[in-house]
Formats: sequence, structure tokens, C-alpha cells
Amino acid sequence: NAGVTQTPKFRVLKTGQSMTLLCAQDMNHEYMYWYRQDPGMGLRLIHYSVGEGTTAKGEVPDGYNVSRLKKQNFLLGLESAAPSQTSVYFCASSYSAGENSPLHFGNGTRLTVT
Amino acid sequence: AQTVTQSQPEMSVQEAETVTLSCTYDTSESDYYLFWYKQPPSRQMILVIRQEAYKQQNATENRFSVNFQKAAKSFSLKISDSQLGDAAMYFCAYRSLGRNTPLVFGKGTRLSVIA
Repeated sequence: NAGVTQTPKFRVLKTGQSMTLLCAQDMNHEYMYWYRQDPGMGLRLIHYSVGEGTTAKGEVPDGYNVSRLKKQNFLLGLESAAPSQTSVYFCASSYSAGENSPLHFGNGTRLTVT
Repeated sequence: AQTVTQSQPEMSVQEAETVTLSCTYDTSESDYYLFWYKQPPSRQMILVIRQEAYKQQNATENRFSVNFQKAAKSFSLKISDSQLGDAAMYFCAYRSLGRNTPLVFGKGTRLSVIA
């Protein structure tokens, strides 16, 4: 019963490097989300997807791209990492947008950009 | 756009006592959902309790209950008989009823439990 799995758990990048964070869910959820968590800022939405092949911008999308080629996977890409992208990234999924479909979160990825 | 405000960055409570965490939100909608999430040091996000705006009865889950004041746009979390395991970051969150509406989070309240 894996739920939402994020890889990697930790990563250190140098400024200008690129990387992709992978989120996989095995619950057949339609909705998937990427949030970033920074001290004193709570969780802020980066991008989200309401179904396979669809993506949408959230509150803080600049510097990130996403893809949802398969229903179970939601990838977050950083093309040219910047120190301001040092953060903890959370992926979440839900079956629908309803109240009875709460978000299921992954355990987060701590990214440091030097 | 909806906003969620948690005015208490940090709170502390004695073990076995009761503590209330505040949350207010801004919205023009009449129907929506409200949530409290707990994040212990393990970083895992755990759903604590949820409330449907069209239900007047306050939600309760064991030692956790909410005081939902719709007119005041207030959604506070009360933790009774506090335990050491309750120490965590607590996030209040809002969700519209619309199909493409993600969760909006407050900035969080860090709760310490004193033995």
C-alpha cells in the first residue's frame, strides 16, 4: 500500500543545474499537485493536474515545469536551478475535488541549491 | 482568490491541557471545505479534521474538535488532553467546491507540548 511516493528524498544541486522530481501514486487518483514548503510560508502550490495530459499553474509556477503523461505519475522539473528554489517539495494526490476526497501527501523532497 | 491566515506562528501547551489554534479565511463563496493538517518532525502531512461549510455542526475527531464560525470566517482547532505526540506544525487549509480547485494553506502554527 504505497500511496504517494516521491523520489528522490534529498538532493543537492548547483546553480544552473537541472533535475526532475518524480511523484507516483497507486490509488488511481485524478488530481495531483506539487507544493513547496518554506519556513514561515506554509505550503504554496506550484503546479497541479486534474487528469492525465493536463496541467495548470498554481501560485508560484515560475522556474518550474510539469508533465502528467501517465495518470499515476506527475513530474516536476527545474530547468536551471536557483538558490531561491531551495525548499521542501511535496507531491499530493486526490481522487476528486470533493470534501470526501482528502489529499494524500508524499513524504517530501528536500532540495538544496548552492 | 481565497486566503487563509494563521495568526499564531507558535503555541505551547502543557501536557493534558487544552489548546486552541486559530485560523481565519477570506472568501466570497458560500460553500467550501476546511481542513486541519498536522505535520510532525517526520515531515509527513496528516489530515486531522475536516469541515463542510454547509454543515453547521462542528466536526469532532476524538480529542480534536473545531469551532466553525461561518459568518466570522473563522475555523479554530481545539486539542483536548494534549499529548507529547501532538507536537507538530498545524496547517489550516481551504478548498472551494469547484472542480479545478486546489487546497490553499495557511502559513502554519508550530505547537509545542510541555511535559
